[in-house]
Amino acid sequence: GAVVSQHPSRVICKSGTSVKIECRSLDFQATTMFWYRQFPKQSLMLMATSNEGSKATYEQGVEKDKFLINHASLTLSTLTVTSAHPEDSSFYICSAKFPGPENEQFFGPGTRLTVL
Amino acid sequence: RKEVEQDPGPFNVPEGATVAFNCTYSNSASQSFFWYRQDCRKEPKLLMSVYSSGNEDGRFTAQLNRASQYISLLIRDSKLSDSATYLCVVHYNTNAGKSTFGDGTTLTVKP
Repeated sequence: GAVVSQHPSRVICKSGTSVKIECRSLDFQATTMFWYRQFPKQSLMLMATSNEGSKATYEQGVEKDKFLINHASLTLSTLTVTSAHPEDSSFYICSAKFPGPENEQFFGPGTRLTVL
Repeated sequence: RKEVEQDPGPFNVPEGATVAFNCTYSNSASQSFFWYRQDCRKEPKLLMSVYSSGNEDGRFTAQLNRASQYISLLIRDSKLSDSATYLCVVHYNTNAGKSTFGDGTTLTVKP
């Protein structure tokens, strides 16, 4: 149990295009999902908290108009990187909070974005 | 000071060794504690939760010391496959549902 999928696993796109990444909890409902970014050999950086049915909460320094988050259902959150630029190239990982008092998060396999 | 601090390592140990990682946290209201492992270019995976009474899962033992605000992970009889980055994660319910991740400790087990 506790499987989270993420699609696509890898994207290569031209500068200026928008890229949409989907995160799905496959066998549980997640009212809360998180989006992280990780640059090579660096730590995970939380970008935003996505709550089903409400607006996402962004961390300081993350542009909400550039990184659009939609959590339309209890099993799906999407992250759209708008007008991507080479500096947006990174490993984007989502996680879903498992229901219950333990507060565990389960991660998707990540999306490697390369912007040319 | 970071909310969650870990020794970044790297820890280089031979196969069969016992290795321990510590992690300190600053918020005394923290309620849930976890160890995750992350392999290179992969997502973090939950290794184990950490309970006040301490808990063990095979070769892995996790302990929590609330008074001193640290958690530990002990790996016995290290295997080559244990090579990874180990992330300490702390959660408290008032933090808008977020968990705080340490920067990770890198372990390399050598033959």
